[in-house]
Amino acid sequence: GESVGLHLPTLSVQEGDNSIINCAYSNSASDYFIWYKQESGKGPQFIIDIRSNMDKRQGQRVTVLLNKTVKHLSLQIAATQPGDSAVYFCAEKSPGTYKYIFGTGTRLKVLA
Amino acid sequence: DAGITQSPRYKITETGRQVTLMCHQTWSHSYMFWYRQDLGHGLRLIYYSAAADITDKGEVSDGYVVSRSKTENFPLTLESATRSQTSVYFCASSGIDRDGYGYTFGSGTRLTVV
Repeated sequence: GESVGLHLPTLSVQEGDNSIINCAYSNSASDYFIWYKQESGKGPQFIIDIRSNMDKRQGQRVTVLLNKTVKHLSLQIAATQPGDSAVYFCAEKSPGTYKYIFGTGTRLKVLA
Repeated sequence: DAGITQSPRYKITETGRQVTLMCHQTWSHSYMFWYRQDLGHGLRLIYYSAAADITDKGEVSDGYVVSRSKTENFPLTLESATRSQTSVYFCASSGIDRDGYGYTFGSGTRLTVV
């Protein structure tokens, strides 16, 4: 697969532990945020989203937290599994636009 | 993703040649996008389109041309390929309006310019 993340920050976690991936976004006016997962050789896949009027949203094994005060977004993955190994991107959208700004990503490695 | 396909999957071309990357979606999504992904840069927007015959430049559009004569197709053309255009190219579509649910990405085209 493509090696698009050779210089990315890497988070290594033991299988079964919880993972927390962080993202600092750039625009305090951004109103919508998404976390994407990208496995090697594939396109990014939607994981979970959150609007700016929320501070927490939960999905299946994933939780996104939004702290607008410090422009920080985090993705929590519970009971991390080998299949969670991938690069994770956050993306932000400004009001009145349908374009997203993507972060550079974090590589998650799950250790057996 | 079954609904958005990119072709070719891999392409090697020579400097100066014209090359076209294809993107086709089956959802009749209004919005379509082209991104390139490079080491250390994440995803950067090349061009986007809000509907058929409506296109606009992104942050790295120089050297690229797009067209959108039909809603389902959004080809990206490199008019005269350069080595700096070696990259992985992703097409994406979105069927919701600007308050919507984000993009669905294709599987990507790895382009090498030699």
